[in-house]
Amino acid sequence: GESVGLHLPTLSVQEGDNSIINCAYSNSASDYFIWYKQESGKGPQFIIDIRSNMDKRQGQRVTVLLNKTVKHLSLQIAATQPGDSAVYFCAENIRQAGTALIFGKGTTLSVSS
Amino acid sequence: NAGVTQTPKFQVLKTGQSMTLQCAQDMNHEYMSWYRQDPGMGLRLIHYSVGAGITDQGEVPNGYNVSRSTTEDFPLRLLSAAPSQTSVYFCASSHGTGHNSPLHFGNGTRLTVT
Repeated sequence: GESVGLHLPTLSVQEGDNSIINCAYSNSASDYFIWYKQESGKGPQFIIDIRSNMDKRQGQRVTVLLNKTVKHLSLQIAATQPGDSAVYFCAENIRQAGTALIFGKGTTLSVSS
Repeated sequence: NAGVTQTPKFQVLKTGQSMTLQCAQDMNHEYMSWYRQDPGMGLRLIHYSVGAGITDQGEVPNGYNVSRSTTEDFPLRLLSAAPSQTSVYFCASSHGTGHNSPLHFGNGTRLTVT
């Protein structure tokens, strides 16, 4: 079946660098995408979302970019901090119900001081 | 406001045993769902509900039952546990569909089936 996936399972950066986490999706009918952060022993935490009628959305230190032509989603974290170390998941909405999300496998971000 | 509360946090079962994973939310969210997370994998949808009295299957529903008798609660039942059901289970809820309705997750139940 169609699924959401991530390009790299791990990403290591230095504190203060900008991080870019990528995600490819295959369901062209998906109209809503979300990025989640998961720290060890906790449930995923919402970071930022974007609808398919947008190309870019900015939050606090984070930006999500959506390229529908190549079905690519990215999360940019500015001035990465040690507290940003976590697993990051992208997810797509496949049905009308908001809870019916399909998740990618995740990218582990490690930030060193 | 506790958000999404899952109990128990840890559970060990023997093959063939049954149990119910509890999930409650106090945000008056209509939508609730259950996911399982396995090592190196993303979260896979088991069942979800768009409101009280309504449930539907997700990607991996076999071996699990759900019911939604109230808005607040969405229990997940394992009728006959199998080792393949060893996983971390997450319950989540959201206010509605589409934009500005992201899922809120609980902190998970870690289940081991021996």
